[in-house]
Amino acid sequence: DIQMTQSPSSLFASVGDRVTITCRASQSISDYLNWYQQKPGKAPKLLIYAASSFQSGVPSRFSGSRSGTDFTLTISSLQPEDFATYYCQQSYSTSVWTFGQGTKVEIK
Amino acid sequence: ELQLVESGGGLVQPGGSLRLSCAASGFTFSSYWMSWVRQAPGKGLEWVAKLKQDGSEKYYVDSVKGRFTISRDNAKNSLYLQMNSLRAEDTAVYYCARDTYSYGYQWFDPWGQGTLVTVSS
Repeated sequence: DIQMTQSPSSLFASVGDRVTITCRASQSISDYLNWYQQKPGKAPKLLIYAASSFQSGVPSRFSGSRSGTDFTLTISSLQPEDFATYYCQQSYSTSVWTFGQGTKVEIK
Repeated sequence: ELQLVESGGGLVQPGGSLRLSCAASGFTFSSYWMSWVRQAPGKGLEWVAKLKQDGSEKYYVDSVKGRFTISRDNAKNSLYLQMNSLRAEDTAVYYCARDTYSYGYQWFDPWGQGTLVTVSS
């Protein structure tokens, strides 16, 4: 199975900071990579699909990129509502989907 | 409005069984693959199973193979997860999610609110 490794597992940041979260795939997955945001007690919410395409309604401060098997989610200017846990998910495998272990963004 | 509503969670003893349901509305249920995703307390997301539109293809994560069965009733716009031989490590919030495909890409959207399954004696 394809393994997805996120880093860091947690980070502390302030409102207005630029935040970068990385997800590395254990093999090539082209750009079959999605990003989700999850707030405590809530279901995950899709942010970005196909590595860099925005879900409708997602603020433009969120962006995604790819370099080989490394994927990055960037929040250009962190807002109070962005404190949450972020997950990547590969959709390359035709039989098994896998998620990264998550990155918790906390208030500094 | 797209909506998924799970039900059927609860407390069950190790070795017991439980059947989860997910009621879909706001979209043509029979046109989509559907998945179950779980999240153990304080842990990350784990995809559990997925099912093709007509029920002809099913896939499971290794840890539930032979114990869990995913199924659907398109006439009732409903997805199910039959869970047998439950273990403590199956304790989690179980989410129902629509597998959305476009130009060969897949993602989960929308998600239900989740139902909690607790396996404990």
